[in-house]
Amino acid sequence: DIVLTQSPASLSLSPGDRATLSCRASQSVRTYLAWYQQKAGQAPRLLVYDVSKRAPGIPARFSGSGSGTDFTLTISSLEPEDFAVYFCQQRGDWPPLFTFGPGTKVDIK
Amino acid sequence: QVQLQESGPGLVRPSETLSLTCNVSGGSISRSAFYWAWIRQPPGKGLEWIGKIYESGTTFYNPSLKSRLTMSLDTSKNQVSLKLTSVTAADTAVYYCAGDSTGHPPFDAFDMWGQGTMVTVS
Repeated sequence: DIVLTQSPASLSLSPGDRATLSCRASQSVRTYLAWYQQKAGQAPRLLVYDVSKRAPGIPARFSGSGSGTDFTLTISSLEPEDFAVYFCQQRGDWPPLFTFGPGTKVDIK
Repeated sequence: QVQLQESGPGLVRPSETLSLTCNVSGGSISRSAFYWAWIRQPPGKGLEWIGKIYESGTTFYNPSLKSRLTMSLDTSKNQVSLKLTSVTAADTAVYYCAGDSTGHPPFDAFDMWGQGTMVTVS
């Protein structure tokens, strides 16, 4: 089974800062890599899929990159509404099973 | 706009069967997503993929839950269902219904989510 590791577990930043979140897979996940944002009491929201494609309505300050086993979500300039927990998710080749990373919490410094 | 709404009992006794339904509105369940899935989140913890189902009825389940899990789809009611047998306290979680409409073929990410329903096993 593919295991996803996210780092750091938490990140304290100020509005306007750049946030760099890492997701590492135990083996290659090709391009089946997505990122979600979750705020307290809400369902997750898809931000990025297929490594770097922004979901409809997602601001350009969110960008995804990476390949193979190492992936990054970058928030270029944090807005107050961006303080939340972020999860990465992958789909294995076959069988097409999904796993999520443990999450990175971005909070206000 | 397609909306998903989960429903089911908030409390289930240990060893019993958990049954949940996801009602899809604002679009046909056959055309609104390439497949549907269930995902759960224990209180204060991360997300766990439970399984997914295609319109054809083909399913893929999380191996850790496979022996207890059944997912089904009712196109006449526009509903997706989940049954989890022999529940324990470890099954206590918010259960989300989700769909993938990212593309055809899909990119295997969940762009549609219900608000979630909390299930406590006690």
